[in-house]
Amino acid sequence: QQQVKQSPQSLIVQKGGISIINCAYENTAFDYFPWYQQFPGKGPALLIAIRPDVSEKKEGRFTISFNKSAKQFSLHIMDSQPGDSATYFCAASIGGYQKVTFGIGTKLQVIP
Amino acid sequence: GAGVSQSPSNKVTEKGKDVELRCDPISGHTALYWYRQRLGQGLEFLIYFQGNSAPDKSGLPSDRFSAERTGESVSTLTIQRTQQEDSAVYLCASSLVRDPRSYNSPLHFGNGTRLTVT
Repeated sequence: QQQVKQSPQSLIVQKGGISIINCAYENTAFDYFPWYQQFPGKGPALLIAIRPDVSEKKEGRFTISFNKSAKQFSLHIMDSQPGDSATYFCAASIGGYQKVTFGIGTKLQVIP
Repeated sequence: GAGVSQSPSNKVTEKGKDVELRCDPISGHTALYWYRQRLGQGLEFLIYFQGNSAPDKSGLPSDRFSAERTGESVSTLTIQRTQQEDSAVYLCASSLVRDPRSYNSPLHFGNGTRLTVT
């Protein structure tokens, strides 16, 4: 059972464009939603995270939008750059318990 | 400081052999996790350690898989009688969890061990 559904699985964006990755979850007990970025041959690294008491969090060119009622959250990458080309994973966990459940991943390619 | 270290980085083994994968977490990190990443798939949770106890082993696929941890230090994931479907990248992560109610303890991943079973 896939508890965190992520789409699209692959995405091609022109340099300077906006990359949007969407995730949906089913378990309403989830209360921490991180995004991880993974480059080839490397382990994932935390990019940005949000808690459900806020609807949006922005860090530089990266923004998480969170819709608690719809049980959906998304990552927006503004002014996408070729260096952003990587695989992005959304994830969710339950406070008080650190098991993190990951989405399937989105392979982003930013073309010049 | 040093990050999470995993060894070996690559392992090729014959079907039916046993393998041991090692993880050295960041010093002082109390929590340690093992995940499996199959080609084109997401990260599949295997097991979680808090100190040297494993409160959640629910992700271990079968009794061929086991893991142990020495104190708050190194962990070893053992796969017995390997099968071709065990081929994957095995990722270890650690986090600093002073308080289980704390949310702000990101996972720090190693670069993984790529296991190929022939």
